[in-house]
Amino acid sequence: AQSVAQPEDQVNVAEGNPLTVKCTYSVSGNPYLFWYVQYPNRGLQFLLKYITGDNLVKGSYGFEAEFNKSQTSFHLKKPSALVSDSALYFCAVRDMAQAGTALIFGKGTTLSVSS
Amino acid sequence: DTGVSQDPRHKITKRGQNVTFRCDPISEHNRLYWYRQTLGQGPEFLTYFQNEAQLEKSRLLSDRFSAERPKGSFSTLEIQRTEQGDSAMYLCASSPTGTGGMDGEQYFGPGTRLTVT
Repeated sequence: AQSVAQPEDQVNVAEGNPLTVKCTYSVSGNPYLFWYVQYPNRGLQFLLKYITGDNLVKGSYGFEAEFNKSQTSFHLKKPSALVSDSALYFCAVRDMAQAGTALIFGKGTTLSVSS
Repeated sequence: DTGVSQDPRHKITKRGQNVTFRCDPISEHNRLYWYRQTLGQGPEFLTYFQNEAQLEKSRLLSDRFSAERPKGSFSTLEIQRTEQGDSAMYLCASSPTGTGGMDGEQYFGPGTRLTVT
């Protein structure tokens, strides 16, 4: 069965410092991997995705994520955090081998950036 | 705004009543998805349409739930005989075919928050 784990409920970081939000996944085949961000009272917004190719994926708002097949991880990173990055972040996976299109989401990680 | 829209944004209903939610996807997207999100959890997949055809349903979609997309544009999600456990945020998303294909990102609406009292 497909699954996603986000081991940290909350990540706290000071503005200007690098941030990492962790994600590990489990699929039977090759994964499609996504990161979404959710601000209060707003819908999920797409940040970036990994389909194939370069393991380092760059996305919106200066975020990037590194796909590590051996560790089955897809951690979200940003070199310098902003207070405005404070939000709820979701990692999601879809198994390329599955016929369906449903995304499987993790529980989410709340990122808090202090000034 | 050309994003995914959902109506209503909030719905409070009494247990046992029926409710219906509407989703208008991005106009050129022919794939439409419904998810449910409860507090402290990520979205959970409910069902998926390609054009007007409902191609996939989660086991979370009990007999009390029905979804339609009659003309391949907007979609409705109806819950009959609501239960307190149905209280959640119901999210709609859409995605294109073509080059986006099965690996394309899904674009989410703001959601409908259902409270069953």
